[in-house]
Amino acid sequence: EAGVVQSPRYKIIEKKQPVAFWCNPISGHNTLYWYRQNLGQGPELLIRYENEEAVDDSQLPKDRFSAERLKGVDSTLKIQPAELGDSAVYLCASSLGLASGIYNEQFFGPGTRLTVL
Amino acid sequence: AQRVTQPEKLLSVFKGAPVELKCNYSYSGSPELFWYVQYSRQRLQLLLRHISRESIKGFTADLNKGETSFHLKKPFAQEEDSAMYYCALSGRKTSYDKVIFGPGTSLSVIP
Repeated sequence: EAGVVQSPRYKIIEKKQPVAFWCNPISGHNTLYWYRQNLGQGPELLIRYENEEAVDDSQLPKDRFSAERLKGVDSTLKIQPAELGDSAVYLCASSLGLASGIYNEQFFGPGTRLTVL
Repeated sequence: AQRVTQPEKLLSVFKGAPVELKCNYSYSGSPELFWYVQYSRQRLQLLLRHISRESIKGFTADLNKGETSFHLKKPFAQEEDSAMYYCALSGRKTSYDKVIFGPGTSLSVIP
């Protein structure tokens, strides 16, 4: 089992360019999370999916960020256009979901380190 | 508002010494508390959760509701404990309460 897979691992772009991150969760995990982790801080939730439905996107800057999880499996997070302040590590995590209890352990991917120049 | 604070960004201890990583929280209700750990070049992973009341890798953490704290402790630090530690909080109202992470403490165990 590879665990949560993310690509790319690193991305360097110039400001105003678009960028996309991809995540493949652990098989059978219904819940998928995207987090942003700024330097020296803990992860902050951007969006959470239950299957293909976004159930919490209150922290997602919707003017430039978008996400999708079309078939309830893989997910893509996009930024367009990127700004200097978007430089961070973007983490994807997955968990079993509601059926497994009150709190489901989140399994994290390796993250994508984005640098915006 | 939900919030998790970890007052120490960096903590250095000698091997064999006791270690305590501090965590304080604010939450209006009954929270679940967790410790996540990230070893060098590895993924963020769950270390322990208060509701399990278990010891993982020699670490324990007790939820003190009066002091709103959830400090992580180990009596004898090992070099392999060197890592980034994040305290986290989740509500217990529903399964959908999001997890709030603290800023993290970098633990360095000196041989």
